[in-house]
Amino acid sequence: EDKVVQSPLSLVVHEGDTVTLNCSYEVTNFRSLLWYKQEKKAPTFLFMLTSSGIEKKSGRLSSILDKKELFSILNITATQTGDSAVYLCAGAQGTGNEKLTFGTGTRLTIIP
Amino acid sequence: EPEVTQTPSHQVTQMGQEVILRCVPISNHLYFYWYRQILGQKVEFLVSFYNNEISEKSEIFDDQFSVERPDGSNFTLKIRSTKLEDSAMYFCASSEPRGDYSNQPQHFGDGTRLSIL
Repeated sequence: EDKVVQSPLSLVVHEGDTVTLNCSYEVTNFRSLLWYKQEKKAPTFLFMLTSSGIEKKSGRLSSILDKKELFSILNITATQTGDSAVYLCAGAQGTGNEKLTFGTGTRLTIIP
Repeated sequence: EPEVTQTPSHQVTQMGQEVILRCVPISNHLYFYWYRQILGQKVEFLVSFYNNEISEKSEIFDDQFSVERPDGSNFTLKIRSTKLEDSAMYFCASSEPRGDYSNQPQHFGDGTRLSIL
């Protein structure tokens, strides 16, 4: 059975801190690893990682994939209160249907 | 920016009734999905749909569930006879056409909260 495990389950930090969120995966016919941010409603797409060792960046957020260790991290530097959300990691299969297997998420709370 | 839209945002239904959840995917997308999230639990895959047919479905997606693309813009999920355990947030997602060796991220709608009484 496909599995995605995220840690920590929740994290509370002060504004300005740097955080690292972890995701390990076991996904049959793995194609890519996706990160989403979920606030009130829709998961909002952040990154899709297909190749190992290549960092993707978007502003203060960055992410990298290790396909040998079946692991990904999401870094957020200089956190702001608007970063408070649940961060979801999902593994995508490459068999055509590309269903996503999600982790339980990391609930990040930024204290002003 | 184009987005996936879902209606209604909240649906309350008596157990045993049929419900239809509606989605309008992003216009140039060809791959469509339904997921659900029971309160406090993971987002779970239900079904993927491409070229007017189901490409994969999960164990959750039993005979009570069906999907349809009735016209060029809508994508619907029907639950024939709802059960209490169907109460969840249902998300529609869509993604662009992709090449043989690449895929495109799925973009999600805001969801329909389904409450079965």
